[in-house]
Amino acid sequence: GAVVSQHPSRVICKSGTSVKIECRSLDFQATTMFWYRQFPKQSLMLMATSNEGSKATYEQGVEKDKFLINHASLTLSTLTVTSAHPEDSSFYICSARDILAGGQGRDTQYFGPGTRLTVL
Amino acid sequence: AQSVTQPDIHITVSEGASLELRCNYSYGATPYLFWYVQSPGQGLQLLLKYFSGDTLVQGIKGFEAEFKRSQSSFNLRKPSVHWSDAAEYFCAVGNTGGFKTIFGAGTRLFVKA
Repeated sequence: GAVVSQHPSRVICKSGTSVKIECRSLDFQATTMFWYRQFPKQSLMLMATSNEGSKATYEQGVEKDKFLINHASLTLSTLTVTSAHPEDSSFYICSARDILAGGQGRDTQYFGPGTRLTVL
Repeated sequence: AQSVTQPDIHITVSEGASLELRCNYSYGATPYLFWYVQSPGQGLQLLLKYFSGDTLVQGIKGFEAEFKRSQSSFNLRKPSVHWSDAAEYFCAVGNTGGFKTIFGAGTRLFVKA
């Protein structure tokens, strides 16, 4: 089945530094990837839609200058949390659509294992 | 507005007992419906999905869900729960095209011996 990886799985950084999180589709191509944020014991909140070769589309209330998204290839999207602060500590999850999958498979998202970010 | 409601924040069932997790949705068009499971500190695993056709959908790990348009529901069921089923379960609704997925708040399942 389709596999999505994230790196790193967890990261601890100091306040004011930037952190980059990678999301890769390992065995399929994904023109569209999604970035979610999950607070403890809460649901996933969509942050942005990452489109290969174009600018990301951010959800209302998400600061695009703080959460930089780059989707440079059909298998890689990156989320950079710039000037991180403790309130940015969260679980970040990406997902990807398999563009070549047929029928209903094309409309299925595959989720990465998530990245735990802790900002001290 | 599009929304997903999971009325139960948490549910406790005995191992071997049956399980039903509730999900109601509000969606302007024909929805694509999903159930995901998340173990602590992990990503999401797709249990099953409904796009069209038979309203009773079979998934992995012995789970099934039934789409009821008249009730705007997509409840998840399992006839006999195992201790390893303890996790967080999310119902989600999406569509093709732009494919934004909206998640419910989740239901935490506890399994007691």
